[in-house]
Amino acid sequence: SAVISQKPSRDICQRGTSLTIQCQVDSQVTMMFWYRQQPGQSLTLIATANQGSEATYESGFVIDKFPISRPNLTFSTLTVSNMSPEDSSIYLCSVGGKASGSTDTQYFGPGTRLTVL
Amino acid sequence: GDSVTQMEGPVTLSEEAFLTINCTYTATGYPSLFWYVQYPGEGLQLLLKATKADDKGSNKGFEATYRKETTSFHLEKGSVQVSDSAVYFCAAGGTSYGKLTFGQGTILTVHP
Repeated sequence: SAVISQKPSRDICQRGTSLTIQCQVDSQVTMMFWYRQQPGQSLTLIATANQGSEATYESGFVIDKFPISRPNLTFSTLTVSNMSPEDSSIYLCSVGGKASGSTDTQYFGPGTRLTVL
Repeated sequence: GDSVTQMEGPVTLSEEAFLTINCTYTATGYPSLFWYVQYPGEGLQLLLKATKADDKGSNKGFEATYRKETTSFHLEKGSVQVSDSAVYFCAAGGTSYGKLTFGQGTILTVHP
């Protein structure tokens, strides 16, 4: 399976600021995804990061709040913009596709724990 | 849309007890089914999976069988250890690079 790293691993931010989270994979992958895990909750898909085109957002998530970049097949960023305390969550990237080891399995990064004051 | 329902937790067991965590799904077609585990302070790790009906996924003593007739994928382990304490997530989907739908997660605590 692919090795996935995320930066930063955690951060404490002030209300109204923005944070960019990086996701790096050690091999080329077709699909990359961004999830949010609110405290004590399950995972919710934010968007699918598409290489060379705009991300595909799920219902309830918009590009202005969560802009995503995918410049190549091994890297993606998620920005959480104009943060409020409700954005305090763990943000996880995942990868799927042939290079992840299986065409239908997703593997997850270690997550970024964000606290907004 | 797809949905996944897990048994409510938390589940508290003594070491060497038998574990069952129920999971049922609603989906169009025949999704792949997964169990992921999240240890304290860590990301999600794939525990096991099954891609078609009657498949049994197994890993680290955990097992789950894809039951199409009952749309279920219950997780079992015959003898749990303290180190199994974690949050367990059932998920469905993944076909054709598709997204995963997660259950709400079940917290498992195993006491010595």
